[in-house]
Amino acid sequence: DADVTQTPRNRITKTGKRIMLECSQTKGHDRMYWYRQDPGLGLRLIYYSFDVKDINKGEISDGYSVSRQAQAKFSLSLESAIPNQTALYFCATSEGGETQYFGPGTRLLVL
Amino acid sequence: SQKIEQNSEALNIQEGKTATLTCNYTNYSPAYLQWYRQDPGRGPVFLLLIRENEKEKRKERLKVTFDTTLKQSLFHITASQPADSATYLCALGTFTGNQFYFGTGTSLTVIP
Repeated sequence: DADVTQTPRNRITKTGKRIMLECSQTKGHDRMYWYRQDPGLGLRLIYYSFDVKDINKGEISDGYSVSRQAQAKFSLSLESAIPNQTALYFCATSEGGETQYFGPGTRLLVL
Repeated sequence: SQKIEQNSEALNIQEGKTATLTCNYTNYSPAYLQWYRQDPGRGPVFLLLIRENEKEKRKERLKVTFDTTLKQSLFHITASQPADSATYLCALGTFTGNQFYFGTGTSLTVIP
């Protein structure tokens, strides 16, 4: 969905490196989310934000941090990447907390 | 523990038939339940939402039922087409409205 963009789309990194995944939205939504998707485990929530000053941990926040630079931008950082953080990462937005609109995903491989 | 379970195996059906996907949950009290479609390499796309006080919702060829006693939702695609082939995810939304909880998805293949 072009309204929610993620960069990069693919990334290969090494264990111990710091990386940042970026998400931008043009939908004007207040709420933004970061998920990871693993085979057999489904989508799991990492962090969510209801506005620029509001950041909340999700189900699996350990090893991750986020920054809400503006209403339209929400970045996810892996401070020191490890192989079990290899996954497909999705950003999503929501207006009012119901329907979510997902970005195209970032495929991350940690060697 | 909390669980959301969808059809454990991939579902294959003949074109024109009705596909029925299940979503069962335990230890949740959802305010609503959603269904999403996900194509390979893409993000999920919202299809339908049904609230805890609703029994059934329809949209074109799609129908969703929600039984809070059985803790189950059924998702039906009537007159299925090969273009309906995808993975379908259910997601629960809570009364606090803070988070969504997703099932692992069911892969549907519609055979021409």
